[in-house]
Amino acid sequence: DVKVTQSSRYLVKRTGEKVFLECVQDMDHENMFWYRQDPGLGLRLIYFSYDVKMKEKGDIPEGYSVSREKKERFSLILESASTNQTSMYLCASSPQGAGANVLTFGAGSRLTVL
Amino acid sequence: GQQLNQSPQSMFIQEGEDVSMNCTSSSIFNTWLWYKQDPGEGPVLLIALYKAGELTSNGRLTAQFGITRKDSFLNISASIPSDVGIYFCAGRGSNYKLTFGKGTLLTVNP
Repeated sequence: DVKVTQSSRYLVKRTGEKVFLECVQDMDHENMFWYRQDPGLGLRLIYFSYDVKMKEKGDIPEGYSVSREKKERFSLILESASTNQTSMYLCASSPQGAGANVLTFGAGSRLTVL
Repeated sequence: GQQLNQSPQSMFIQEGEDVSMNCTSSSIFNTWLWYKQDPGEGPVLLIALYKAGELTSNGRLTAQFGITRKDSFLNISASIPSDVGIYFCAGRGSNYKLTFGKGTLLTVNP
């Protein structure tokens, strides 16, 4: 069964800490995405990547950065976590071409910043 | 940017009832997708629509791509308790960006 795996399901961090959220996919997909999900706001795109070492800003990139050193791995970095970054973070991947908009999601990482 | 309005925000229904939810866009979309998110999990694709007027079924689920290309609906027939979750629409426009609706929270009372 193909998968997108997010390494941490639940994290609790303190304000100002650096936070790494890791995502690995085993489908050889070119595209990878990071979304955050908040009640009443749906899914909002933070960053995406369409190739190794490539990244593009989404709708809400402020306070975040990403790293894609290998095709299968896409990391989301919070340089200095703040309480307003408490949220559910969802990683997704998709192939290029006709299936590019059919995203496969991970189970999510719920981050609490105290 | 592209705006998606998804309604209703939430629904409380009895097991066995039919459900209908829809999404409307401020601009034309070329692709409509419907996802379901079970509690504590990531969204899973239910149905993908690629042509205006297209009507597609997946078991008890039926979705349609509106003729105007600015709307889509999802129907669930004879609901069961495991239908509980958040349903998201998503659309892709001419800029190739995928935009998600805010979701419909469905609760099914046994």
